[in-house]
Amino acid sequence: GEDVEQSLFLSVREGDSSVINCTYTDSSSTYLYWYKQEPGAGLQLLTYIFSNMDMKQDQRLTVLLNKKDKHLSLRIADTQTGDSAIYFCASQEDNFNKFYFGSGTKLNVKP
Amino acid sequence: DAEITQSPRHKITETGRQVTLACHQTWNHNNMFWYRQDLGHGLRLIHYSYGVQDTNKGEVSDGYSVSRSNTEDLPLTLESAASSQTSVYFCASSSGTIAAGEKNIQYFGAGTRLSVL
Repeated sequence: GEDVEQSLFLSVREGDSSVINCTYTDSSSTYLYWYKQEPGAGLQLLTYIFSNMDMKQDQRLTVLLNKKDKHLSLRIADTQTGDSAIYFCASQEDNFNKFYFGSGTKLNVKP
Repeated sequence: DAEITQSPRHKITETGRQVTLACHQTWNHNNMFWYRQDLGHGLRLIHYSYGVQDTNKGEVSDGYSVSRSNTEDLPLTLESAASSQTSVYFCASSSGTIAAGEKNIQYFGAGTRLSVL
């Protein structure tokens, strides 16, 4: 199966930009997703990117995909305390419906 | 609005007991998944189903079973609960067609926190 890796923690100050990184191993991954998990809750989809794109922007969120290096990043501009959560990246296998999740990055936003 | 619900939200049980966690979705999705979430491991796939009467093992299926008798439900059973199965369990569903290049967003329930004492 696929290996998806993320760093475990990130701490930023309110108003700064946050960059959460993810690497994956399966070059046949078609879609890559970012999910957000707030304390005590399930995962909510934040955004996704198709593998033939290298960038996607959605309000404060920017996703960058380097397919050659199998590296995905999520940038959150003007980070707010409400952005404190665990962020998971996930890859979807081509032709299959299974996701492979990273271990999650806990983002701590300091006031 | 369509949704996916899990019950119970919290469960405490003893080792050796059989436990069933419920998952019900009203999205009319073909695919349903069970994950467990443990610190440092992220989400690990336990079992999944691509439709009624279809079930498949994930990477951590030992000690768990599922059955899919209808589209809406995929209950997860722990045959004989062990302390190593203390975890938070998430159910997810996606619309699911096996087609190249098709995105398949998974929608998650709120989770069940299970403690095995």
